[in-house]
Amino acid sequence: DQQVKQNSPSLSVQEGRISILNCDYTNSMFDYFLWYKKYPAEGPTFLISISSIKDKNEDGRFTVFLNKSAKHLSLHIVPSQPGDSAVYFCAASAPDTDKLIFGTGTRLQVFP
Amino acid sequence: GAGVSQSPRYKVAKRGQDVALRCDPISGHVSLFWYQQALGQGPEFLTYFQNEAQLDKSGLPSDRFFAERPEGSVSTLKIQRTQQEDSAVYLCASSLVAGVVSEQYFGPGTRLTVT
Repeated sequence: DQQVKQNSPSLSVQEGRISILNCDYTNSMFDYFLWYKKYPAEGPTFLISISSIKDKNEDGRFTVFLNKSAKHLSLHIVPSQPGDSAVYFCAASAPDTDKLIFGTGTRLQVFP
Repeated sequence: GAGVSQSPRYKVAKRGQDVALRCDPISGHVSLFWYQQALGQGPEFLTYFQNEAQLDKSGLPSDRFFAERPEGSVSTLKIQRTQQEDSAVYLCASSLVAGVVSEQYFGPGTRLTVT
């Protein structure tokens, strides 16, 4: 049972345009969400997070939006750069636990 | 900088062999996690330590998997009698605090291939 879902396995975006990566979850107990970026042969790198008490968090070119009623979050990257090409994982955590539940990832390719 | 390191980076084992995977977390980090990432999937939680105490091992797939962190720093994940379905990347992560979800810092992983 996949509690965190990333339904788009891949996304291709032109440099300078916006990249939107989506994530859905089923467990209404999740209260903290994170996005990680992963390059080949490296471990995931933390990108941005959001608590369930917020609906938006912004850090430079990266913004995460949370819609609790829809159990949906999205990561916006604007403007997209070729160096953003990587696999992006959405992760969630429930109260009283530190473990993360990951989605299956979306491979983003930013082309010139 | 001193991030999370893991060794070996690659391990090939014949089915039935025992393997030991090492994780050196960031110095001073209280929490340590092990995840298993199968090909094309996201990382899946295996076990969690707070200092030397193993507080959650609910993700370990069988009793062939064993993890320890005896002095609250370095951790070892041991897999006994390896099977082909154990082939995956094993990721270690650490975080500074415990009891509050915060970003976890991941190592590069150990790619285990069981032949």
